[in-house]
Amino acid sequence: QVQLQESGPGLVKPSQTLSLTCTVSGGSISSGSYYWSWIRQPAGKGLEWIGRIYTSGSTNYNPSLKSRVTISVDTSKNQFSLKLSSVTAADTAVYYCARENWFDPWGQGTLVTVSS
Amino acid sequence: QLVLTQSPSASASLGASVKLTCTLSSGHSSYAIAWHQQQPEKGPRYLMKLNSDGSHSKGDGIPDRFSGSSSGAERYLTISSLQSEDEADYYCQTWGTGFYVVFGGGTKLTVL
Repeated sequence: QVQLQESGPGLVKPSQTLSLTCTVSGGSISSGSYYWSWIRQPAGKGLEWIGRIYTSGSTNYNPSLKSRVTISVDTSKNQFSLKLSSVTAADTAVYYCARENWFDPWGQGTLVTVSS
Repeated sequence: QLVLTQSPSASASLGASVKLTCTLSSGHSSYAIAWHQQQPEKGPRYLMKLNSDGSHSKGDGIPDRFSGSSSGAERYLTISSLQSEDEADYYCQTWGTGFYVVFGGGTKLTVL
């Protein structure tokens, strides 16, 4: 059974780059025709899709975040990663990774706070 | 532009049934969606994929109490024999033009 786990700093300073990693266990990130996605959720608000990557390295990003987002994959480590640059307080949220086959499964999420 | 519309809140009594609605914007009535459940302080969990003809496929371990149906541009999630652990936020989700992911605003279900 595939499981996903987010990791990374819980506190990032304004204008810096947020970096998170999603580790996939219970299966190979390269097996099957899956996309792997990042989604975020500010406190008390709904879900916002950030972007996705295929194991070939091809990516798609939310147009509203595209200029600041980079998603990469490391198949040797069974991981994919998110970088969000020039962060502000508006980027404070719980960040989730998920396998984008109808978003099943999801990781448990990690809270990232942007504050000085 | 594809928009998914959900009522912000719903409530029903313990043991009763409730039907949540997700409405696809005009011109998108043929789209399949997914339903996801988010219990308090937890990450979302995939419940099911729901097609325009009402056929659906549930995720592993999702109880039979959860079912889906469709009518036109509306997609429904019905939960029967409500239990306290069903109190959660429920989100519908699909893909728009350019493979862009769209989430509904979510419905907060209260079990009375």
